[in-house]
Amino acid sequence: QSVLTQPPSVSAAPGQKVTISCSGSSSNIGNNHVSWYQQFPGTAPKLLIYDNYKRPSGIPDRFSASKSGTSATLGIAGLQTGDEADYYCGTWDSSLSAGVFGTGTKVTVL
Amino acid sequence: EVQILESGGGSVQPGGSLRLSCAASGFTFTSHAMNWVRQAPGEGLEWVSGISGTGASTYYADSVKGRFTISRDNSRNTLYLQMNSLRAEDTAIYFCARELVVVAATQLDHWGQGTLVTVSS
Repeated sequence: QSVLTQPPSVSAAPGQKVTISCSGSSSNIGNNHVSWYQQFPGTAPKLLIYDNYKRPSGIPDRFSASKSGTSATLGIAGLQTGDEADYYCGTWDSSLSAGVFGTGTKVTVL
Repeated sequence: EVQILESGGGSVQPGGSLRLSCAASGFTFTSHAMNWVRQAPGEGLEWVSGISGTGASTYYADSVKGRFTISRDNSRNTLYLQMNSLRAEDTAIYFCARELVVVAATQLDHWGQGTLVTVSS
């Protein structure tokens, strides 16, 4: 059972923007960096965001993220059909001394 | 180019053991912590275990603590996961993933393709 909560699904039309929330606590998001991952069926996850808001090279600036208190948010602007995937947040939990992932959100482009 | 390749998956009966390996190349292995992350069929990601760059610090999810052991051989650029007392609920694809930094922080910038572990009688 994950300690980070995400909405099961979000959807929008092509070109629109979606946001995905990730809710945690002071022992994880509140005091550690958040990362975000994109996963297509049958493939390994891919890092989209690290250090709460930074994008690895090659990740388009349509993907943005922020953190406030014990919650984090991923935004995908200019939605494309190729963005249909599962998205996960992740962070370290200082109380558990363990990594934790969110429950995952499926993005659908209408 | 960073490359990560898992091996060692397979089918095992409940109570059995398996050892997963993860061969890494294309980067300074000791400069990065390493992790195992699993994904049960149709389910989300579950962090399993992590180890610091030197191997001095290890971490485990409660679900595997006492049954799994993570280790690394820095001379061979290889990560391991020894899995004992396997249960049906351990059935999953196991991914090896590189940490951005030398300590465990769950910021995983390179992943292998995964190896499937099936626990069934």
